[in-house]
Amino acid sequence: AQTVTQSQPEMSVQEAETVTLSCTYDTSESDYYLFWYKQPPSRQMILVIRQEAYKQQNATENRFSVNFQKAAKSFSLKISDSQLGDAAMYFCAYTGANSKLTFGKGITLSVRP
Amino acid sequence: DGGITQSPKYLFRKEGQNVTLSCEQNLNHDAMYWYRQDPGQGLRLIYYSQIVNDFQKGDIAEGYSVSREKKESFPLTVTSAQKNPTAFYLCASSIFGSGYEQYFGPGTRLTVT
Repeated sequence: AQTVTQSQPEMSVQEAETVTLSCTYDTSESDYYLFWYKQPPSRQMILVIRQEAYKQQNATENRFSVNFQKAAKSFSLKISDSQLGDAAMYFCAYTGANSKLTFGKGITLSVRP
Repeated sequence: DGGITQSPKYLFRKEGQNVTLSCEQNLNHDAMYWYRQDPGQGLRLIYYSQIVNDFQKGDIAEGYSVSREKKESFPLTVTSAQKNPTAFYLCASSIFGSGYEQYFGPGTRLTVT
């Protein structure tokens, strides 16, 4: 079975600085997809970024980028120029051939003004 | 506007009563999902459906039941057999197939006393 591990329960970053959120996963599949979802205080889940395992190029969405290391099974999220609105819970998630999403336990990010 | 609606936002029930949570989508998605979120646990899959009149158990299906009579609707019933029903419940939908983004509803907070 696939597992997703987010070992840091909380992180804090100064506004305008850069922060990296860690995620590791375990799978025997060769073709899969990885996601980062954001859950702000409203609790509405929002997709931040998506990575296809067969693509070597790291995904980027504006201030959000990933460092995807397939051999190490690592998928970290980098947030540049952090803003107050980035404060939220962030979940790393995996999906493979069965289309089911497996989530990590999440990390709470706070942004200091 | 296309999206997913869940109602009600807050729900209170007495122990021993069954309760049904509503989930409706107008995104024309074939696949729909129910997740449970507890503090420090991430999201765990309860049931999912990839086509009308068919659904599969997720990782924590015991004490829950679902139906999928219409493409747009995927109600979840929390039965009296669920030992710890108090939680935040999230519904999601997606295009059928691996790697597609799941779109989430706003969630229902169920409290059973």
